[in-house]
Amino acid sequence: DQQVKQNSPSLSVQEGRISILNCDYTNSMFDYFLWYKKYPAEGPTFLISISSIKDKNEDGRFTVFLNKSAKHLSLHIVPSQPGDSAVYFCAASRVQYGNKLVFGAGTILRVKS
Amino acid sequence: DTGVSQDPRHKITKRGQNVTFRCDPISEHNRLYWYRQTLGQGPEFLTYFQNEAQLEKSRLLSDRFSAERPKGSFSTLEIQRTEQGDSAMYLCASSLVAGGLWEQFFGPGTRLTVL
Repeated sequence: DQQVKQNSPSLSVQEGRISILNCDYTNSMFDYFLWYKKYPAEGPTFLISISSIKDKNEDGRFTVFLNKSAKHLSLHIVPSQPGDSAVYFCAASRVQYGNKLVFGAGTILRVKS
Repeated sequence: DTGVSQDPRHKITKRGQNVTFRCDPISEHNRLYWYRQTLGQGPEFLTYFQNEAQLEKSRLLSDRFSAERPKGSFSTLEIQRTEQGDSAMYLCASSLVAGGLWEQFFGPGTRLTVL
């Protein structure tokens, strides 16, 4: 069963506007959530994370929101830049159980200039 | 460059051959993870080490797969008698488990093609 789902395979956004990427999870025991960005032929690059004790974490242009009751998290990128075009993966883990990451299938973000 | 490195970056082999991949984590990191990614999917957990101890293996890791981290530094992942279904990107990640830091940092991956 897919415990972490990214239901939008792709998203296209105009440069300067906001990009919102969404992720849903089913396992309420997850207590740590992360977003990674991936370019072709490279490994995932860590972007931002959030613990389940928080509902928001911000780092520069990137903000992650966590809604535990809805088992939903989102990544906001403001303003979007062409260099943000990549595949974005959300991941979840249980930190006291090996912190093994469970990934969604990814969302392709295209930022048009 | 002090990031995670993996070698080789690409490996093409014939079915039935053995292959070995190497991962060098960030030097002070005590945890090392192996993941596998196939086309259109996110990475899937295979196994992880805390220092030199292998603490967990996924059901995805058949008995043809073996991983080691002999001195708690670099790690190797060996696949024996490769099958076409083993074709994937093999990713290594490391982390420092301390002070609430849980982020994992990935290497560039080894792309395996089994003919």
